[in-house]
Amino acid sequence: KAGVTQTPRYLIKTRGQQVTLSCSPISGHRSVSWYQQTPGQGLQFLFEYFSETQRNKGNFPGRFSGRQFSNSRSEMNVSTLELGDSALYLCASSPGRDGLNEKLFFGSGTQLSVL
Amino acid sequence: TQLLEQSPQFLSIQEGENLTVYCNSSSVFSSLQWYRQEPGEGPVLLVTVVTGGEVKKLKRLTFQFGDARKDSSLHITAAQPGDTGLYLCAGVSGGYQKVTFGTGTKLQVIP
Repeated sequence: KAGVTQTPRYLIKTRGQQVTLSCSPISGHRSVSWYQQTPGQGLQFLFEYFSETQRNKGNFPGRFSGRQFSNSRSEMNVSTLELGDSALYLCASSPGRDGLNEKLFFGSGTQLSVL
Repeated sequence: TQLLEQSPQFLSIQEGENLTVYCNSSSVFSSLQWYRQEPGEGPVLLVTVVTGGEVKKLKRLTFQFGDARKDSSLHITAAQPGDTGLYLCAGVSGGYQKVTFGTGTKLQVIP
């Protein structure tokens, strides 16, 4: 069974640009979550999608958005990039049915550098 | 805002030593997970503990969930170089996969 696939692996952008990151979950998984990881703030929850609907959202500005397609693939978009958006963006998939015992499976992430 | 503080932040030990990592919060979580992350990769789930006071063992790793479900510990016996990595605790509450991650403990096991 293929794991969670994130593309691209590395990305370099300049301030003010926008970026779109992609995540393909494990086959059969309907929930996709996005996290931002930085050395200073650690892993922070961005949002979670299930069956094309955003069910949960973290405390990030509106510049961060996402969506999920009918095949469960998800994209996240960051507009008007700032230097502080430089981070490893991780996507995690899960079946979306097991509640508190839900197992998250993470991709290898997209390393975004904003210059 | 729910916060999970881990201690120590960094740990460098010799192969064969024992160690304990702590994860503390002022909030109650419905369940708590432990992950290990290696450089350039995403975190990998090690265990989920759900019941207050629960103890789970995974080979040389022992995980405990506090009675009040606010804290947890990870104990590694006879650490090996393959245990090197970033250990993250994560609290689950409110459902819908909103997981709050701890500050992380970077472990280095020297051969």
